[in-house]
Amino acid sequence: ILNVEQSPQSLHVQEGDSTNFTCSFPSSNFYALHWYRWETAKSPEALFVMTLNGDEKKKGRISATLNTKEGYSYLYIKGSQPEDSATYLCAFGGSARQLTFGSGTQLTVLP
Amino acid sequence: DVKVTQSSRYLVKRTGEKVFLECVQDMDHENMFWYRQDPGLGLRLIYFSYDVKMKEKGDIPEGYSVSREKKERFSLILESASTNQTSMYLCASSTRQGQLFFGSGTQLSVL
Repeated sequence: ILNVEQSPQSLHVQEGDSTNFTCSFPSSNFYALHWYRWETAKSPEALFVMTLNGDEKKKGRISATLNTKEGYSYLYIKGSQPEDSATYLCAFGGSARQLTFGSGTQLTVLP
Repeated sequence: DVKVTQSSRYLVKRTGEKVFLECVQDMDHENMFWYRQDPGLGLRLIYFSYDVKMKEKGDIPEGYSVSREKKERFSLILESASTNQTSMYLCASSTRQGQLFFGSGTQLSVL
């Protein structure tokens, strides 16, 4: 079983703060790195699918970077809002068919 | 609006019962997956299927089986439910590139 680690496990920030968290994954047999957002009582939704070393993706106030050689990805949220409160999951793919998930970072944005 | 639909949001069963969890997707995806989510452990893959009547074991298949008789439907079967199978179960389907689309989950309690 592959080791995919996310840190921190949980995070509380004030509205307006910028924040970031980390996903570490194996640096060999890389196919893709996914980020998902999982809000309470909803389904996880894809934020980014990243495939190339050095990839940077952005969606509104959220962005992500990828370093496949050293095996890490960062997710950044600029100017956090209460609606950003969710669990953020990363998933490492050694192939298109199978992903290994980290245990997630639970973000709470306080108004 | 594309969808992955799970038949039940909450389910309570007794030890030893046979349990069926149903999942239907309307995106014509070939790949479908069953995960379970437990606190602190992240999403763990139980089984996946990449075609009708095809199935492959994931990381934790013990105590489970699956059925894929039609492309749009993927069922998870607990032959004899046990208390350690109390969990949140998530179904997903994926594009060829691997991006997952999740159902809203089934919270199963085995008493």
